[in-house]
Amino acid sequence: DGGITQSPKYLFRKEGQNVTLSCEQNLNHDAMYWYRQDPGQGLRLIYYSQIVNDFQKGDIAEGYSVSREKKESFPLTVTSAQKNPTAFYLCASSARTGSHEQFFGPGTRLTVL
Amino acid sequence: KNQVEQSPQSLIILEGKNCTLQCNYTVSPFSNLRWYKQDTGRGPVSLTIMTFSENTKSNGRYTATLDADTKQSSLHITASQLSDSASYICVVSAGGGATNKLIFGTGTLLAVQP
Repeated sequence: DGGITQSPKYLFRKEGQNVTLSCEQNLNHDAMYWYRQDPGQGLRLIYYSQIVNDFQKGDIAEGYSVSREKKESFPLTVTSAQKNPTAFYLCASSARTGSHEQFFGPGTRLTVL
Repeated sequence: KNQVEQSPQSLIILEGKNCTLQCNYTVSPFSNLRWYKQDTGRGPVSLTIMTFSENTKSNGRYTATLDADTKQSSLHITASQLSDSASYICVVSAGGGATNKLIFGTGTLLAVQP
């Protein structure tokens, strides 16, 4: 999957709990992204980061938080404020933002019980 | 509103047959168009990328076309194999520079049967 790893592959959470999804890349890419994928919908951007210590909200950032302390890591926390967190989460990276190709990780399927 | 629409929603074909998937977009300003293949439970993998000036691009048995005037693209799969069973996603890049935004279609789910 292009040097991007996500863990865990499957994650179960009880309502009211925060949970953190891991994303690591060894491609030396500056930009990293988090997407959410739901059945019958296109991927939707949650957050993105162009450089270390900087990140921007995407289209559906409410109920999520991120950090970018290292170039290779971009963890996503799904908080209890996210009303419908069950989904497939995809992390991606690209050399830069803009028109550069995004390479995707294998995804994490989060299920809220 | 920037949108990418794909058809059909799903498709079943027999192994060895050809098929064509469609993508219509209303995205402005247009930067490029990509086709991704996504196996079930996996991340998308890029198949082709086309800019405004490119009409066709091939990657093995996959051939993508782009008509920038009608804002349509197609992905043609030749001599399908069982491993082609996947979702195919059309992605259009809008804008330019650091603010480029990706608009994702909902995908076409292709099932290749023996």
